[in-house]
Amino acid sequence: AIQMTQSPSSLSASVGDRVTITCRASQGIGTDLGWYQHKPGKAPKLLISGATTLHSGVPSRFGGSGTGTDFTLAISSLQPEDSATYYCLQDASYPLTFGGGTKVEIK
Amino acid sequence: EVQLVQSGAEVKKPGESLKISCKGSGYYFTSYWIGWVRQMPGKGLEWMGIIFPGDSDTIYSPSFQGQVTISVDKSTNTAHLQWSSLKASDTAMYYCARRVEAFDYWGQGTLVTVSS
Repeated sequence: AIQMTQSPSSLSASVGDRVTITCRASQGIGTDLGWYQHKPGKAPKLLISGATTLHSGVPSRFGGSGTGTDFTLAISSLQPEDSATYYCLQDASYPLTFGGGTKVEIK
Repeated sequence: EVQLVQSGAEVKKPGESLKISCKGSGYYFTSYWIGWVRQMPGKGLEWMGIIFPGDSDTIYSPSFQGQVTISVDKSTNTAHLQWSSLKASDTAMYYCARRVEAFDYWGQGTLVTVSS
């Protein structure tokens, strides 16, 4: 199975800061990677598919990059409502695998 | 409007059986894969398996193969996740989600609590 290593596991940043989260795949997955936002008590939400494609309705401050084994989710200007846990998910091959998650807190 | 509506919270005892559901609406249910995701208390998301409602083709994560059964009822546009003998370690939130290129729509989650 492809392992997804996500870092950092948590971070704390101020409103307006640029934040980056990375995921590394144990083998190449092309651009078959999605990013999800998960808030307590809510269903996860798709932010980015295909490593770089912003899902409909997602604010443009979210952006994804990368191909192969190294991927990044960037939030260009952190907002209070971005407090959540973020996960990457590789869907290149079964079993699909999530990264361990990054908890983003607002200072 | 695409919606996935899951069945309500369950409280069960170890050894009991359980079947939870995920009803799709607002799209051609048989045309898109439906996956299941587990979140144990205080832990991250885990992919359990996926089913294609059109032909019931099902793929399980090795971690869940033999532990759960994923099925679908095309007549009611509903996917199911079931256990034949629950354990305390099955206590978790379970989500269903539609897969297009990614999991674009999610159910609201079903909390399963297994306790004696």
